[in-house]
Amino acid sequence: EPEVTQTPSHQVTQMGQEVILRCVPISNHLYFYWYRQILGQKVEFLVSFYNNEISEKSEIFDDQFSVERPDGSNFTLKIRSTKLEDSAMYFCASSADWPNTGELFFGEGSRLTVL
Amino acid sequence: ILNVEQSPQSLHVQEGDSTNFTCSFPSSNFYALHWYRWETAKSPEALFVMTLNGDEKKKGRISATLNTKEGYSYLYIKGSQPEDSATYLCAFPSYNTDKLIFGTGTRLQVFP
Repeated sequence: EPEVTQTPSHQVTQMGQEVILRCVPISNHLYFYWYRQILGQKVEFLVSFYNNEISEKSEIFDDQFSVERPDGSNFTLKIRSTKLEDSAMYFCASSADWPNTGELFFGEGSRLTVL
Repeated sequence: ILNVEQSPQSLHVQEGDSTNFTCSFPSSNFYALHWYRWETAKSPEALFVMTLNGDEKKKGRISATLNTKEGYSYLYIKGSQPEDSATYLCAFPSYNTDKLIFGTGTRLQVFP
């Protein structure tokens, strides 16, 4: 069964360092997302990507964040200069349809710890 | 600010018990309501996407109902098994956007 894969599963980094989280969405999906969950809080939307560009981003997704789909298969989230408050579980997801009607398929997450 | 609420936050039941939990969401500008099952160390997995008022969906021992007029959905598990232990998340697509707004989840623990 097709699945969304994410790497790394866990990354520990020093504050101020750049981090790249990688995702391989399901190949025939059209919509791609990053969500995150800070420990003890709700899963929250970061960004959506459609037709090779950002479709929507949340207020969390500031200039320190960027996304790319460089080769038609990988979908990456970059955090340029990590802060302590970026520590969270980051989930990549993809869908064939708009989330108003279609389910999202999630990866297992990348746990980011910023020291 | 749109908010999705789930209750209870956690639930402990014995194997064989049936259980249910609630998701409350804004009743205006309704498009859909998603339910996801999230086992520890695994990816959240879609259970249902519900779009019609009065809709009832079923997958094995799990079923869900939807009331869009009053803004709630119930998830039922009949004859709970230890493998049902997981966090159950509901999510509501924000009007005319790509994002899902998630509830805090209900953590279910089924004891043998």
